[in-house]
Amino acid sequence: GIQVEQSPPDLILQEGANSTLRCNFSDSVNNLQWFHQNPWGQLINLFYIPSGTKQNGRLSATTVATERYSLLYISSSQTTDSGVYFCAVERDQGAQKLVFGQGTRLTINP
Amino acid sequence: DTAVSQTPKYLVTQMGNDKSIKCEQNLGHDTMYWYKQDSKKFLKIMFSYNNKELIINETVPNRFSPKSPDKAHLNLHINSLELGDSAVYFCASSQVGAGRQDTQYFGPGTRLTVL
Repeated sequence: GIQVEQSPPDLILQEGANSTLRCNFSDSVNNLQWFHQNPWGQLINLFYIPSGTKQNGRLSATTVATERYSLLYISSSQTTDSGVYFCAVERDQGAQKLVFGQGTRLTINP
Repeated sequence: DTAVSQTPKYLVTQMGNDKSIKCEQNLGHDTMYWYKQDSKKFLKIMFSYNNKELIINETVPNRFSPKSPDKAHLNLHINSLELGDSAVYFCASSQVGAGRQDTQYFGPGTRLTVL
């Protein structure tokens, strides 16, 4: 099956810093999503981005499908950005089977 | 209004018991899912249902039986609970179809602890 690797596994930053999280995947995909799991366990969908670039406030994401990676950028980090960020992919459109990476745990210190 | 809801939020039970987790979505989606998140935070799909029909069963033990009475509900029944079943179980939903973004929306999770 498709493999999803995220890096780094852990990231500790001061408030105000910028960060880049990476997701590599082993096969072509039709669906790629980024999620944030906050410290209370809630999974929030951030982006649906199988290709191209999207921005939402301080967050943006870029997926280069031909090179099989996606990047999540967080600018001017806030303590509320802390949590685990997951990348999830689906190889066949409509297959309804997201495969998750192991996550990047981000800690933003005040 | 809550988009995807699950009950209960916490479930503590003894080994060997049978328990159920309920999930409801009010997004009008036609596809619903169950995921398991283990103690290392790894998320893995267990089942998906499309319009009440089972689409994916990811080699989950048959002690786990999902049931979808209608496309807004997907319940998970677990028989003969084992210690290894302790985890957080997430329900999710999405609208699947040509030209649609298959964005999945997750419920708050049910933390199951088997003693």
